[in-house]
Amino acid sequence: AQTVTQSQPEMSVQEAETVTLSCTYDTSENNYYLFWYKQPPSRQMILVIRQEAYKQQNATENRFSVNFQKAAKSFSLKISDSQLGDTAMYFCAFMGGGADGLTFGKGTHLIIQP
Amino acid sequence: DAEITQSPRHKITETGRQVTLACHQTWNHNNMFWYRQDLGHGLRLIHYSYGVHDTNKGEVSDGYSVSRSNTEDLPLTLESAASSQTSVYFCASSDPGTLKPLHFGNGTRLTVT
Repeated sequence: AQTVTQSQPEMSVQEAETVTLSCTYDTSENNYYLFWYKQPPSRQMILVIRQEAYKQQNATENRFSVNFQKAAKSFSLKISDSQLGDTAMYFCAFMGGGADGLTFGKGTHLIIQP
Repeated sequence: DAEITQSPRHKITETGRQVTLACHQTWNHNNMFWYRQDLGHGLRLIHYSYGVHDTNKGEVSDGYSVSRSNTEDLPLTLESAASSQTSVYFCASSDPGTLKPLHFGNGTRLTVT
């Protein structure tokens, strides 16, 4: 079974700073997919970014980018120029080749201070 | 616009009662999933379905059941609610294919007293 570990339960940074959220995972599969989801206080789950394991190039979506280190099984999320609206829970998630749902980490509560 | 709707948004019930949480999606997705979210645990998979009449157990399926009689709906039933099932429940759906994103409902907060 796969496991996803987010070692930072909570982080706090000043607005406009850059912040990196860490995520490691454990799997014996070679083909898999990784995701970051954002959950604001509204409880809505919002897909932030996704990465295919077979792609060496790190995914980017505007201010959000990942550092994917396949050998180290690491998938960190970098948020540049952080904004107050980035305050949320962030979940790292893994999907194996069998596509039987996502395995989530326990989440990191990110607080952006004005 | 297509969407995924969960009802009710909040529910309070008593221990031992049967409870059904509804999930309805208009994406016409074959894949549907139920998760529960608890502080310190993230989201954990309860049950999932790849199509009509298909159901599969997830990581935390004990005490829960689902049935899939059509593409749009995957109701989650707690046969005999327990206080340990107090949680926020999320339904999600997706197209087949592993990189297809999951579309989530807005969750149901269930309290078992």
